[in-house]
Amino acid sequence: NAGVTQTPKFQVLKTGQSMTLQCAQDMNHEYMSWYRQDPGMGLRLIHYSVGAGITDQGEVPNGYNVSRSTTEDFPLRLLSAAPSQTSVYFCASSPGVGPYNEQFFGPGTRLTVL
Amino acid sequence: AQSVAQPEDQVNVAEGNPLTVKCTYSVSGNPYLFWYVQYPNRGLQFLLKYITGDNLVKGSYGFEAEFNKSQTSFHLKKPSALVSDSALYFCAVRDNYGQNFVFGPGTRLSVLP
Repeated sequence: NAGVTQTPKFQVLKTGQSMTLQCAQDMNHEYMSWYRQDPGMGLRLIHYSVGAGITDQGEVPNGYNVSRSTTEDFPLRLLSAAPSQTSVYFCASSPGVGPYNEQFFGPGTRLTVL
Repeated sequence: AQSVAQPEDQVNVAEGNPLTVKCTYSVSGNPYLFWYVQYPNRGLQFLLKYITGDNLVKGSYGFEAEFNKSQTSFHLKKPSALVSDSALYFCAVRDNYGQNFVFGPGTRLSVLP
């Protein structure tokens, strides 16, 4: 049981490039989400999914796309990278959409956009 | 709308002393409250949660948290701090109308030997 895995761990992009951050979980969790972490701002929700085929926007969705074709995978796409997207990105999953369920986090991807 | 405040950016405590990391929240319905810890270059790890029932919740690594409905607070505590407790601590809230977590800005705890 690997939990939540993320790849890559580190990435450097040039402005305008696109890329996909991968996230997978092997716990059969319904709920998955993407956050970005910036100093002094805590974690901000980018996109989330309550099950395969269902996605929705969070607090800071601009510049990012997601899809959820399977329960296990929830990739995050940067369409045209900008320096403002330099951040640490975390994927998380939760057993269900009930408010009492905690989230399990991946190790993060540190992204730098030059 | 839900919100979480952690009024202290940094908390310093001597090893062996009790520690408190503060959290206050605002939700429109019943609160579901969580504490997470983040060690350097790692993801967040779940410590404990309050759903309902006893106001004192016990969690991992000897941590506990006290829920106070009248003060809308959920402070994290530990009777005797360890140097290895030094990390970034996040409080988070969900209400029973929303699906998503709202996180506080984090408090950096430094336990000094």
